[in-house]
Amino acid sequence: GAVVSQHPSWVICKSGTSVKIECRSLDFQATTMFWYRQFPKQSLMLMATSNEGSKATYEQGVEKDKFLINHASLTLSTLTVTSAHPEDSSFYICSASAGGFDYEQYFGPGTRLTVT
Amino acid sequence: KQEVTQIPAALSVPEGENLVLNCSFTDSAIYNLQWFRQDPGKGLTSLLLIQSSQREQTSGRLNASLDKSSGRSTLYIAASQPGDSATYLCAVPLSGGGADGLTFGKGTHLIIQP
Repeated sequence: GAVVSQHPSWVICKSGTSVKIECRSLDFQATTMFWYRQFPKQSLMLMATSNEGSKATYEQGVEKDKFLINHASLTLSTLTVTSAHPEDSSFYICSASAGGFDYEQYFGPGTRLTVT
Repeated sequence: KQEVTQIPAALSVPEGENLVLNCSFTDSAIYNLQWFRQDPGKGLTSLLLIQSSQREQTSGRLNASLDKSSGRSTLYIAASQPGDSATYLCAVPLSGGGADGLTFGKGTHLIIQP
């Protein structure tokens, strides 16, 4: 149980274009989903927190107009990188939590974004 | 601001050895602590979650302990195997609450030599 999927697993796009990444909880309802970013040889950094039906909360330094997050249902959150630039190239990982007692987060397999 | 530190940054040991990975955090007011494993280019696999009221959790050859007052956690791996080679990450909620996003340490890169 507690499986989270991401699509696509990797994507290459040209500078200036937009790319959408999907995060799905397959066998549970996620009251909260999180988006993280990981640059090479660095640890994960939280970008934003999203609750179903609410606007996402962004961490300091993360541009909300560049990284659009939509959490339309209890099983799906999307991250759209708008007007992508090479410096946005990174590994994007989502996680989902059903809340409950332990608030355990379950992570997706990640999406490798390369902007050329 | 919560900060997580992991020691050592890298570790290489022969197969069969027992080993300890260390994690420390600056704010002891945590809701829980999670240990993860990350294989190269992959997402995270949750290994153990310890609630703030617990002192340890065990899963197979893995045992994680938590000393909240001193801001420390250890991950003990018994009888290490080459398949245990990965980066191990420790994480706590960013602001202490259970519903918060996580802040991660930089990880311990573990290599188990056959």
